[in-house]
Amino acid sequence: NAGVTQTPKFRILKIGQSMTLQCTQDMNHNYMYWYRQDPGMGLKLIYYSVGAGITDKGEVPNGYNVSRSTTEDFPLRLELAAPSQTSVYFCASSYRERLNTEAFFGQGTRLTVV
Amino acid sequence: GESVGLHLPTLSVQEGDNSIINCAYSNSASDYFIWYKQESGKGPQFIIDIRSNMDKRQGQRVTVLLNKTVKHLSLQIAATQPGDSAVYFCAEKGGRGAQKLVFGQGTRLTINP
Repeated sequence: NAGVTQTPKFRILKIGQSMTLQCTQDMNHNYMYWYRQDPGMGLKLIYYSVGAGITDKGEVPNGYNVSRSTTEDFPLRLELAAPSQTSVYFCASSYRERLNTEAFFGQGTRLTVV
Repeated sequence: GESVGLHLPTLSVQEGDNSIINCAYSNSASDYFIWYKQESGKGPQFIIDIRSNMDKRQGQRVTVLLNKTVKHLSLQIAATQPGDSAVYFCAEKGGRGAQKLVFGQGTRLTINP
């Protein structure tokens, strides 16, 4: 049982480049989340999904896109990377929101845009 | 709007002492709260949670207190150990049907030998 797995762990992008941050979970969780964490700050929600085929914006969605074609995978897409997107990105999943269970986090992807 | 804040960004305690980390929240509709621990270079790790119908919940060496009157949450760690050094975040879910978890800024806890 691997939990929540994120790839890559580190990446350096040039301004204007695009990339996809991968996230997969093997716990059959229906809820998945993408957060970004800037230095010395808390986590800000980018996008979330309540199940396959359903996604919604969080607090800071601009510059990102997501898709949820399967229960296991929730990739985050950056189309035109900007320095403001330099951050650590965390993917998380949880089982059923109504039961108010905690979210399990991946180890993060550290992204630098130069 | 929803927001979760922390009173102290840093906290230093002596090994073996008890520590208290505080958190204020503004959404009175929040009905679920979680404390996470984040060690350097790692993702947040669940510590303990509490629902709004409770005032106190205890775990192993940790206790969470919830005061809904003043919208305040605290995490008490008993007999702190070097491994407790980390950043601690509180997070809230804003009421029935709310699907997102809102995080505070975090408090860095340092355990001095």
